[in-house]
Amino acid sequence: EAGVAQSPRYKIIEKRQSVAFWCNPISGHATLYWYQQILGQGPKLLIQFQNNGVVDDSQLPKDRFSAERLKGVDSTLKIQPAKLEDSAVYLCASSSLRDRAVHEQYFGPGTRLTVT
Amino acid sequence: QKEVEQNSGPLSVPEGAIASLNCTYSDRVSQSFFWYRQYSGKSPELIMSIYSNGDKEDGRFTAQLNKASQYVSLLIRDSQPSDSATYLCAVNIPTGNQFYFGTGTSLTVIP
Repeated sequence: EAGVAQSPRYKIIEKRQSVAFWCNPISGHATLYWYQQILGQGPKLLIQFQNNGVVDDSQLPKDRFSAERLKGVDSTLKIQPAKLEDSAVYLCASSSLRDRAVHEQYFGPGTRLTVT
Repeated sequence: QKEVEQNSGPLSVPEGAIASLNCTYSDRVSQSFFWYRQYSGKSPELIMSIYSNGDKEDGRFTAQLNKASQYVSLLIRDSQPSDSATYLCAVNIPTGNQFYFGTGTSLTVIP
């Protein structure tokens, strides 16, 4: 079974530029998550999709970040314009329901963003 | 506010010893609990999941859950230098299928 795919793996941009990240979840996983992880911290949820609907985007800086999951499979996360503090690793994860109480979540390799 | 707390460490143990990692959580509706291992520069890797009170063993890893005390732990027996990593505790809230992470405990196994 293929894992969560993400691209690009690394990106360097200047502040005020825009950037987009792509994620393809594990086949059949209905729930997709985007996290931001700053060095030394745990992953912070940015947005969660269930199929193609948003479940939680309460911590997404909506003035500059946007995300979509068309057709309930692939997802794109965009930052426009980028700020220095957006330098972080952006992790995509997906999860499936396996009986009612179990939701195992798997991460992709992440995209390391550096804003200069 | 749903909180997951871990001792950030660093925790150092000699090779062959038992490493003990601890995690507490605040939300009593949490039902599923996970440990992830994250090597420097890599993404988190799921290594253990536990859903019921008690112990769950998988090779050198044992997860322990006590829902009454809102406490979950990970024991690593016969620690190896390759176990040196940051270990993240995560809890799952079934409503909405949401995950909450601790800040991680850095483990160093000294040869």
